[in-house]
Amino acid sequence: DTGVSQDPRHKITKRGQNVTFRCDPISEHNRLYWYRQTLGQGPEFLTYFQNEAQLEKSRLLSNRFSAERPKGSFSTLEIQRTEQGDSAMYLCASSLQRDSPYEQYFGPGTRLTVT
Amino acid sequence: LAKTTQPVSMDSYEGQEVNITCSHNNIATNDYITWYQQFPSQGPRFIIQGYKTKVTNEVASLFIPADRKSSTLSLPRVSLSDTAVYYCLVGSGYSTLTFGKGTMLLVSP
Repeated sequence: DTGVSQDPRHKITKRGQNVTFRCDPISEHNRLYWYRQTLGQGPEFLTYFQNEAQLEKSRLLSNRFSAERPKGSFSTLEIQRTEQGDSAMYLCASSLQRDSPYEQYFGPGTRLTVT
Repeated sequence: LAKTTQPVSMDSYEGQEVNITCSHNNIATNDYITWYQQFPSQGPRFIIQGYKTKVTNEVASLFIPADRKSSTLSLPRVSLSDTAVYYCLVGSGYSTLTFGKGTMLLVSP
């Protein structure tokens, strides 16, 4: 069973450094989402791709954040000049366009710690 | 998007049936009700989705009254492994999920 995978699972970085996370969705899924989750809170939407097109971005996605999905396959989320407030779990999810948009399949997440 | 209200936490014992109720007074005609489960250090997992009346799958049942202003997720005979956070979401036509803080269910032996 090849579910959504994310790499790395954990990342510790110093403030000011750049980090990049990767997400591999379920192979036939054309929709891909990024969320951020802090302790005690539910996941917060960051951005969404349909195939390679980035269709929606949250206001949470500051100009230090950028996401790509070349060729509509895997996706990367980059955070530049990290800040301590960026410490969180970054979750990726994917879904099929023909299915309900609310039926998304999540990966295990990448936990980022900014020191 | 309709706002949802659910209990912060619930306690249960193994073997009991657990019912988690979610209020969504401002639900729109086209909105569906969806529940997710999240274990610590894992991503959320889709459990069930419904529009009206009752939906049942191998994991849970979802009861939705006629006015659709609330819904109840029913977990039959819970086990320790059902200890998790359960999220109720309401919406339609959107590809983004809006999570609240969810309900922390603790199942004890």
